[in-house]
Amino acid sequence: SQTIHQWPATLVQPVGSPLSLECTVEGTSNPNLYWYRQAAGRGLQLLFYSVGIGQISSEVPQNLSASRPQDRQFILSSKKLLLSDSGFYLCAWSVVESYNSPLHFGNGTRLTVT
Amino acid sequence: AQSVAQPEDQVNVAEGNPLTVKCTYSVSGNPYLFWYVQYPNRGLQFLLKYITGDNLVKGSYGFEAEFNKSQTSFHLKKPSALVSDSALYFCAVRDPRGGADGLTFGKGTHLIIQP
Repeated sequence: SQTIHQWPATLVQPVGSPLSLECTVEGTSNPNLYWYRQAAGRGLQLLFYSVGIGQISSEVPQNLSASRPQDRQFILSSKKLLLSDSGFYLCAWSVVESYNSPLHFGNGTRLTVT
Repeated sequence: AQSVAQPEDQVNVAEGNPLTVKCTYSVSGNPYLFWYVQYPNRGLQFLLKYITGDNLVKGSYGFEAEFNKSQTSFHLKKPSALVSDSALYFCAVRDPRGGADGLTFGKGTHLIIQP
């Protein structure tokens, strides 16, 4: 069966520090991968998605970037964190080219920028 | 552009009573519709989906949802609520003609089941 791992679960970082959140998927090949941010425990904002290695689409221009160095690895990064980057970050995967398949989410990373 | 509305921020139901969480959508073609549940500090869990066919779809944990094309709605239902159903529920839509850019989610509805 497929599983998705996100780490760390929680992170407290000072303003101006770098960020690296990692997500890996097991049990499937060539998945679509997604990064979402959830603010204040409510709505989800799509940040980035990827349909293959090295292919990143950005939905919202901001202080973050994403990379996909391997088929089942998706990384969210920032060179300098802002207070507004605080939130709950969720990684998700879906079957490629099957738009009726659901997204499967990791357990998220709670980021607090101080 | 596709969109989803969940008109209720919070729904309160007594344990054992039926529950409904409302969702309406807007999409130019025939929609793919999904419901997810989120427990505190956890990721979203997939409950059920409507793609085509029978308007009543059944999902995990006894939940079901009814697709109504004329009302552009996809309400989540359960005949008898449990306290453990208390969580944040998200409706989501995808236009089948769209690309790989995921789903469009509603803002979520807090479901509170009172003992």
